Amino acid sequence: DAGVIQSPRHEVTEMGQEVTLRCKPISGHDYLFWYRQTMMRGLELLIYFNNNVPIDDSGMPEDRFSAKMPNASFSTLKIQPSEPRDSAVYFCASTFDRVRRYYGYTFGSGTRLTVV
Amino acid sequence: SQQGEEDPQALSIQEGENATMNCSYKTSINNLQWYRQNSGRGLVHLILIRSNEREKHSGRLRVTLDTSKKSSSLLITASRAADTASYFCATAPSGDQNFVFGPGTRLSVLP
Repeated sequence: DAGVIQSPRHEVTEMGQEVTLRCKPISGHDYLFWYRQTMMRGLELLIYFNNNVPIDDSGMPEDRFSAKMPNASFSTLKIQPSEPRDSAVYFCASTFDRVRRYYGYTFGSGTRLTVV
Repeated sequence: SQQGEEDPQALSIQEGENATMNCSYKTSINNLQWYRQNSGRGLVHLILIRSNEREKHSGRLRVTLDTSKKSSSLLITASRAADTASYFCATAPSGDQNFVFGPGTRLSVLP
């Protein structure tokens, strides 16, 4: 398996523009997570899905952020409109649980977002 | 908050020395996980220790868990320059899957 694949690796956009981050989890994993990492706030859990269904989005900063998982092999995180304070590294991670068998998370390489 | 808290925030040692990092958390857990992050990269899972385990080894890594003190430690023996990275502990409330990461310990191993 190629691991968790995120795209793009880097994104530079102007304030007000829409940004879409993409993630392909490991095949067979039933949980998918979106995290954001900044120097000031560390790693923050934004939202996570179980079997493509959003379970907890309480970490999503505001309505400008939305996430979808239309099928087991693809998820998107969208920011519309983007603001400079959204600049961060966004990570996607997945794991296999199938009802509480705990394994480590596999992280993607991240998308470094810069909003100017 | 369930968030684990690593200690120290930063650690600098010479190659060959041992490095010890600690993690404290607040509520009961099913397991605790340790991760490593090299600069500019994603996190890599190192080891998972379950609440009924007290110690676990993986190569040069040794993890302990004291549920009565709600704390864990990660020991890296005979450190190498390649061990230079940030190390995070992650916890989730018992029965949950949403692991939350602490602020991490930045380890520098000097050649």
